[in-house]
Amino acid sequence: GESVGLHLPTLSVQEGDNSIINCAYSNSASDYFIWYKQESGKGPQFIIDIRSNMDKRQGQRVTVLLNKTVKHLSLQIAATQPGDSAVYFCAETEGQGAQKLVFGQGTRLTINP
Amino acid sequence: EPEVTQTPSHQVTQMGQEVILRCVPISNHLYFYWYRQILGQKVEFLVSFYNNEISEKSEIFDDQFSVERPDGSNFTLKIRSTKLEDSAMYFCASNGAGSGSPLHFGNGTRLTVT
Repeated sequence: GESVGLHLPTLSVQEGDNSIINCAYSNSASDYFIWYKQESGKGPQFIIDIRSNMDKRQGQRVTVLLNKTVKHLSLQIAATQPGDSAVYFCAETEGQGAQKLVFGQGTRLTINP
Repeated sequence: EPEVTQTPSHQVTQMGQEVILRCVPISNHLYFYWYRQILGQKVEFLVSFYNNEISEKSEIFDDQFSVERPDGSNFTLKIRSTKLEDSAMYFCASNGAGSGSPLHFGNGTRLTVT
């Protein structure tokens, strides 16, 4: 069939506010999850990861929450800055060895001054 | 901080021509990958490579595609006879210990097939 570009979910927040980006994943066997940030013209940039034996992990200004019961992942960004404007993707994978990442559709985050 | 580098940043080619996309993964990494992203769509897995052989490939990675690690530093993706629908961003990635080690991506090669 014909490929159609995805209409990305968007989130606009004021600079300094906190933002929460959500992601539903599909594979209940996935055991490793990653959030990537993609700026225009660049490749996905690693932000934070979490394994399935955890439900929360914190980094610098970012927190990832994992709810395996409902297959839901979220990324919280505290005190957003203009440089946080980008498309954010969640990705999942399972098993050992090489990682065949399955990416979500992405959310476009815009930080308003 | 070490990074994955890709060349060229943009490649324009005519339908039916062969292209080779080049990547230098992070030097101590063991697993190498190619992903692609059609404009406005999700990033999709193409192939993973470990210990000098393909470890997994997707349905997209048909007989027109091949990968090679010709020396200790480069990792290439060849498309033998390009089609219009091959137009996309192609990202190379690498990681260290496989499971639990996040992939680091290059900035991609934009392939335009005319």
